[in-house]
Amino acid sequence: GEDVEQSLFLSVREGDSSVINCTYTDSSSTYLYWYKQEPGAGLQLLTYIFSNMDMKQDQRLTVLLNKKDKHLSLRIADTQTGDSAIYFCAEITMNTGFQKLVFGTGTRLLVSP
Amino acid sequence: DAGITQSPRHKVTETGTPVTLRCHQTENHRYMYWYRQDPGHGLRLIHYSYGVKDTDKGEVSDGYSVSRSKTEDFLLTLESATSSQTSVYFCAIRRRDTQYFGPGTRLTVL
Repeated sequence: GEDVEQSLFLSVREGDSSVINCTYTDSSSTYLYWYKQEPGAGLQLLTYIFSNMDMKQDQRLTVLLNKKDKHLSLRIADTQTGDSAIYFCAEITMNTGFQKLVFGTGTRLLVSP
Repeated sequence: DAGITQSPRHKVTETGTPVTLRCHQTENHRYMYWYRQDPGHGLRLIHYSYGVKDTDKGEVSDGYSVSRSKTEDFLLTLESATSSQTSVYFCAIRRRDTQYFGPGTRLTVL
């Protein structure tokens, strides 16, 4: 079955690096995504990685993909208080020809000054 | 910004009443989705649409119906709201292989 798992909570100090981890189950996923949700807001696409890549870097964000272990991580360098939010990992799966997203439960990142 | 609006943004209603939530997009995307977000569950797909009048069920569709009479609008209806449908509802569109989300509707069923 499809399942995406994340740890529930991460606390870091401002200026440190944050690493949010995710495991997924569908080895045929073509894309994997990271979304950010601030309080009271919708989900904002942060970044995504294509399944034939091992790493993608975008300014302070680094995504690592280990397909063998079905493990995805998001590293935020120089974490700021504005990075405090819930981060969702999601994988694409195919279901009777329809492409859908399966989300993890989200990791709440708290950045303290 | 994918040009998605949702209305209303907040609603409180009573058990047994009908409720309709609206999702509006301005970019003529073919695929639209309705999700609900609950603590401990992430986002779960309720219904989706792949064109005008073309809709199908997601993983948590019981108690919900949808309609799409024009490309820009996707309506989610709770025919008879129950307390278990208290949630935050998000609409999304698909652009290429990525989904973009609206701001959400917080629904409370008393």
